[in-house]
Amino acid sequence: GNSVTQMEGPVTLSEEAFLTINCTYTATGYPSLFWYVQYPGEGLQLLLKATKADDKGSNKGFEATYRKETTSFHLEKGSVQVSDSAVYFCAPRNSGNTPLVFGKGTRLSVIA
Amino acid sequence: DTGVSQDPRHKITKRGQNVTFRCDPISEHNRLYWYRQTLGQGPEFLTYFQNEAQLEKSRLLSDRFSAERPKGSFSTLEIQRTEQGDSAMYLCASSVSSNTGELFFGEGSRLTVL
Repeated sequence: GNSVTQMEGPVTLSEEAFLTINCTYTATGYPSLFWYVQYPGEGLQLLLKATKADDKGSNKGFEATYRKETTSFHLEKGSVQVSDSAVYFCAPRNSGNTPLVFGKGTRLSVIA
Repeated sequence: DTGVSQDPRHKITKRGQNVTFRCDPISEHNRLYWYRQTLGQGPEFLTYFQNEAQLEKSRLLSDRFSAERPKGSFSTLEIQRTEQGDSAMYLCASSVSSNTGELFFGEGSRLTVL
């Protein structure tokens, strides 16, 4: 089955700093790739996704590019804000009816 | 609010008791998922339904766990003879029947077993 390895947290950054959260995965075939975010006190929500190689998902200033050759889907943001403080989860999903497999999550704290 | 709702939000019980959680998905979603999340970990898949049919169960789902979705709408997750190791956040999610993978999550039901 699928598995995913995320950068260990917590990550603490100052406001306006550049963010990278690494994610690599193992999967059979060509999975779709997702980043979910969990803000304090809220349920998980989809942040962005990419469904085929070289696709770039983007949302709220975050971006991630589907790199098939390195089996990676690193999350980046050029200038983080305090409101980005949350836990971020990388999740691959094979085609068909297989469920999402989540990484352990990376906690991001942004300080003013 | 038309999101995924879960009840109760927090349950404290003594070891050996039975507990039941309910999930009401987004109304037009025919897939419903249960995940479990412990502190510092990502959500772990437990089981999922398409309409009323339970299509997949994880090996994590021991015999003490049972999930139902009798009319293809709300779902219940029951844990019998709870153990301290069952303490976790139980997450429900729903989606349309496609392969886009976008799951909509509820806020979870936190179980504490004393």
